[in-house]
Amino acid sequence: DAGVIQSPRHEVTEMGQEVTLRCKPISGHDYLFWYRQTMMRGLELLIYFNNNVPIDDSGMPEDRFSAKMPNASFSTLKIQPSEPRDSAVYFCASRHTSTNYGYTFGSGTRLTVV
Amino acid sequence: DQQVKQNSPSLSVQEGRISILNCDYTNSMFDYFLWYKKYPAEGPTFLISISSIKDKNEDGRFTVFLNKSAKHLSLHIVPSQPGDSAVYFCAAAVRTDKLIFGTGTRLQVFP
Repeated sequence: DAGVIQSPRHEVTEMGQEVTLRCKPISGHDYLFWYRQTMMRGLELLIYFNNNVPIDDSGMPEDRFSAKMPNASFSTLKIQPSEPRDSAVYFCASRHTSTNYGYTFGSGTRLTVV
Repeated sequence: DQQVKQNSPSLSVQEGRISILNCDYTNSMFDYFLWYKKYPAEGPTFLISISSIKDKNEDGRFTVFLNKSAKHLSLHIVPSQPGDSAVYFCAAAVRTDKLIFGTGTRLQVFP
């Protein structure tokens, strides 16, 4: 298995632009998580899905952030409009129900908003 | 509010010595704790875990200790090796709910 695949690896965008981050979870995994890593807050959970349904989005910072999972093999995290304070590394992780804490993380997308 | 805290942003240890990384939590409902390791440009990977019914779990050079009364856990690495240099994240969960991570501690092991 190729693991959790995130794209792009790096994204540089101007303030006010829309940014879309993509994630392909491991085949068969029924949970998908979006985390954001910053120096101040560490790894911060933004939202997670179970069987493509959003379960908890309480970590989404504000309405500028949205996430979708249209099918079991694809999820997006969108920021519109982007702001410099959104600059961070965004990680996607997935797991199977049978492995309660067996999260597999992708390599992350480093987002820079200038 | 940070439910899982790692108060030391960095730690430097000589090769062969013990590395001790600390983590504190505030939510007494947490019943499962984990440590993840992260190398630059990679995602975090699972290292070791402990259930709240235990106070110690060992896996090779890595041992995690849990002190529930103090709401504190620690990761011991003995002996430390240069390849252990990475960022270590502490994480906690209530049953099988979402993992809550700390801010991380950067460990540097020098020769």
